[in-house]
Amino acid sequence: QKEVEQNSGPLSVPEGAIASLNCTYSDRVSQSFFWYRQYSGKSPELIMSIYSNGDKEDGRFTAQLNKASQYVSLLIRDSQPSDSATYLCAAPISSGSARQLTFGSGTQLTVLP
Amino acid sequence: DGGITQSPKYLFRKEGQNVTLSCEQNLNHDAMYWYRQDPGQGLRLIYYSQIVNDFQKGDIAEGYSVSREKKESFPLTVTSAQKNPTAFYLCASVQGAGANVLTFGAGSRLTVL
Repeated sequence: QKEVEQNSGPLSVPEGAIASLNCTYSDRVSQSFFWYRQYSGKSPELIMSIYSNGDKEDGRFTAQLNKASQYVSLLIRDSQPSDSATYLCAAPISSGSARQLTFGSGTQLTVLP
Repeated sequence: DGGITQSPKYLFRKEGQNVTLSCEQNLNHDAMYWYRQDPGQGLRLIYYSQIVNDFQKGDIAEGYSVSREKKESFPLTVTSAQKNPTAFYLCASVQGAGANVLTFGAGSRLTVL
């Protein structure tokens, strides 16, 4: 099992729809979770972080965390073509004596005009 | 402006050559990281350094080497021992040790001819 696993893409949604991106993680001790957006050929940029169970909203983005299920999701409301990118989920995972931020393989989202 | 500068942006290498990718940050961050990204994949950790003159191997360190002689600089050498070095390389930094919010450089794309 991958340490941070994202739902397989690519994902296509029409403009104005809700895009739902999912992520599961293996380390029950993880306390912080991050969603990064990466445009083609560019570096990732942080769009959401979440530390507590429940929902966290920031504009059109909502992150949802369920630590009991080891599940974190990202909802994008009123999707726009400019949201078309790869979304990376990340969580700190134990590796030997350290905890390192581990990334999922990403979900490629395309918002169709 | 504070940030991370990676150079070169594009690099071509012949098989059997070593190449060094530069990463400089003026954020006064303690920890620095090198990730590799292959097409359609997430980020995989190569090396990281939490303090000057100390660094640790990540998940895919074989064929790579680093140094951390100054807090601001964390160069990555891709050696001839790396069998498949063509990839997008990302340098990142964070204030304080441990997993937290990463700031990324713009990346360096290495192609082996």
